[in-house]
Amino acid sequence: GAGVSQTPSNKVTEKGKYVELRCDPISGHTALYWYRQSLGQGPEFLIYFQGTGAADDSGLPNDRFFAVRPEGSVSTLKIQRTERGDSAVYLCASSSRGGAYEQFFGPGTRLTVL
Amino acid sequence: AQSVTQLDSQVPVFEEAPVELRCNYSSSVSVYLFWYVQYPNQGLQLLLKYLSGSTLVKGINGFEAEFNKSQTSFHLRKPSVHISDTAEYFCAVSDKNTDKLIFGTGTRLQVFP
Repeated sequence: GAGVSQTPSNKVTEKGKYVELRCDPISGHTALYWYRQSLGQGPEFLIYFQGTGAADDSGLPNDRFFAVRPEGSVSTLKIQRTERGDSAVYLCASSSRGGAYEQFFGPGTRLTVL
Repeated sequence: AQSVTQLDSQVPVFEEAPVELRCNYSSSVSVYLFWYVQYPNQGLQLLLKYLSGSTLVKGINGFEAEFNKSQTSFHLRKPSVHISDTAEYFCAVSDKNTDKLIFGTGTRLQVFP
């Protein structure tokens, strides 16, 4: 079956611009996670959805970052006024129920802010 | 706050040799522990996980890990590695009150012929 997909695979933007990153989870998975992986680092948690609601957004670095999941399936991570420090690979994962259930990761979106 | 320490950033090893990748975590509460592998140009894939029960956990591709509560460690082992095991390996922890994973910085396993 289809895994987690993320679009675009690569995004290059200029400092100050707005970007949207999309995640399509595995069908039927209720839990969805966003992580950010900087060069040479492990993934860093950003936000977790259970259904349509954000159950934990404690990892969002500041108010320039926002994520939605309006119908409990596809999610969009939105970054306003991008900064060069936002450059990273943004990973999305989904899980059938959250908790101890396995998180399945997508291939990521590589964001480069010039 | 929880944290994960992977003591070795790189581990070079010859093919068919045994390998151990070290992972220590800091937490005073019950935890779930995971090892993920990231092959070049691919997404993260779960190798194995410890939730409860037996402290020795077996995963895919011949890997295993042992949970040691007293030493707060979850080291990954394989008795004989292959060239195809060359990849980045990440240890991760989550506690039973949240669902987010806290990852270590990763260990790059390089297997030489």
